[in-house]
Amino acid sequence: GQQVMQIPQYQHVQEGEDFTTYCNSSTTLSNIQWYKQRPGGHPVFLIQLVKSGEVKKQKRLTFQFGEAKKNSSLHITATQTTDVGTYFCAGPLYSGAGSYQLTFGKGTKLSVIP
Amino acid sequence: DAGVTQSPTHLIKTRGQQVTLRCSPKSGHDTVSWYQQALGQGPQFIFQYYEEEERQRGNFPDRFSGHQFPNYSSELNVNALLLGDSALYLCASSLAPVPNYGYTFGSGTRLTVV
Repeated sequence: GQQVMQIPQYQHVQEGEDFTTYCNSSTTLSNIQWYKQRPGGHPVFLIQLVKSGEVKKQKRLTFQFGEAKKNSSLHITATQTTDVGTYFCAGPLYSGAGSYQLTFGKGTKLSVIP
Repeated sequence: DAGVTQSPTHLIKTRGQQVTLRCSPKSGHDTVSWYQQALGQGPQFIFQYYEEEERQRGNFPDRFSGHQFPNYSSELNVNALLLGDSALYLCASSLAPVPNYGYTFGSGTRLTVV
């Protein structure tokens, strides 16, 4: 069935190093959303990408939507300990009868070593 | 501006029992989606409510049911609890029943079935 996949599952980086997580969908998406979940917390919406090839930046975070609108990436420059958490991508997958479900990937858990 | 409010925050139940979880959406949001998040996994879609009706349902058994009230608040009911129902249950509200807007999540209800 349709799914949203993320790699890697885990990433350990030294503080100051860069980090990238990748998201792939089995089908073309109308949009891709990114969320961050801190340890013990709940998912918090970061951003939504809509256009093919779109790139958006939030301070040290760069989000990209692929040309085919089936893949996306999140890149963090010079990680800090405040970046620790699990990053999820989510996309609307068709569930039948004209409806779409916001479907989450399994996430990439980022650990930052001070 | 109140975010999404969920209650209770933690709950311990015995196998076979029934549980009701509650959610008040963010002000201005009329759509509520419920997700189950097992430890180390991404949120799994249970169902979505809009205009007091269940609009979409994920791959969950009929033991999972819900309701939405005229003030847009929602309940999630789980009957005949199984050990495998232990998880974080997240309520998310949005502006519309289509996943074209970012979801606002509540802090969740941590359910433990013993």
